[in-house]
This record gives sequence, structure tokens and C-alpha cells, in this order.
Amino acid sequence: DAGITQSPRHKVTETGTPVTLRCHQTENHRYMYWYRQDPGHGLRLIHYSYGVKDTDKGEVSDGYSVSRSKTEDFLLTLESATSSQTSVYFCAINNSPNQPQHFGDGTRLSIL
Amino acid sequence: GENVEQHPSTLSVQEGDSAVIKCTYSDSASNYFPWYKQELGKRPQLIIDIRSNVGEKKDQRIAVTLNKTAKHFSLHITETQPEDSAVYFCAASTVNAGNMLTFGGGTRLMVKP
Repeated sequence: DAGITQSPRHKVTETGTPVTLRCHQTENHRYMYWYRQDPGHGLRLIHYSYGVKDTDKGEVSDGYSVSRSKTEDFLLTLESATSSQTSVYFCAINNSPNQPQHFGDGTRLSIL
Repeated sequence: GENVEQHPSTLSVQEGDSAVIKCTYSDSASNYFPWYKQELGKRPQLIIDIRSNVGEKKDQRIAVTLNKTAKHFSLHITETQPEDSAVYFCAASTVNAGNMLTFGGGTRLMVKP
């Protein structure tokens, strides 16, 4: 399996609190992605990064921000969590677009 | 942007039978089509992919076909086994969207022993 570690694996928090999820990779891949997975919607892209400090929005970016200060780390932040952001969040990596993406184990986030 | 539709949403087959999952996409510029398998509580894992310059690709019991004219692609699993039971996702990548993947909604495949 690709060297991708997501933390935390599970989190329960309250509406209005800030939340940060971390994706750490040991593959030195250039591209990193954050997806959310909800029943019936498959995987939807939140934000992605194509290099250190280079990020862009995906399909469902509202309410989320990201940062990438090092090649190996990609952080996803919910500034003020809402119940609609309860989901499973997956990080993925690859070395260039149109190459296979490899996924982490996911973070299950519940916002009460 | 790209839109990917996947059918059926659930599929139940008897062990040993074949299973076919179909996806359609909207952007004719899409050029990369991966398929992922996700077991319950696990990460999605790539099982096969195809590029737009190829019409068919096979890997043991799994095959993918692509019809660019009709803008659809399909996953074929032959001689299904209980361990094939999982959720399968198709995806499409288009240069018009920065080569980002758009996923279908998923198909839950159940293989009955």
C-alpha cells in the first residue's frame, strides 16, 4: 500500500468548532487530494494541491480550507464545522494527473 | 463540468456468474477512466484503468471496455466470487477540469455463494 497516513481516524466534535484533518505521505508525490464520501454521492473532490503552497478548489470546497507547507503534509480545515460536514474524508496522492490515485484509510468525522 | 452516471446502484449475482457495471460521462474530452473497489470500512483501491486511446483492457477476471462515441465505459467481472462483494466506483478525468477525477455514485455488488 502507498505510504499515506490520515489522522485522526475518527473524530466527534460539536457544531461551530474548528477541525483539522491531516494527510501525511512518504511517497514524495506531487499531487494530493481531499475527498468526502457520502452515501449515494461517491467521492467528491474538496480541494487538491499540485505542489508546496499550490492548491486549488474542487467540486465541494465551500466551508473548507487547505494548506500544504511541506511536500509530505496536506491539511484540511473546517473553520466552523456544521452537521452537513459529517462524512468520511479520504486523502489521495499521485505524481501527475491522469495517473492512478492512491487513497489513505479515511477519517470518519461526526459533527453533532 | 464533467458528470459521471453509474448503474446499477446495487447488483446481486450468484457465485460464478458475470457482473457488469456501466458508467456514462458527459465531457467528450475525458481521457482517463479508472475503476475502484471499496470493501466495507476500507479505502478505495484501484483495480483497473483505461485510457481513451484503448477500447478494451483485461486483467484476469476483470475487463473494462470504452466506447468514446457513446461516452460510456463498463466494468466486467467474470466468474464472480464472494470476495468480489464490495462497492465499485467508476471515474473519469478530463483536461477541461485540470485532469481531476469525477466519480460515479457507486455500485454495491453482492455475490451470493
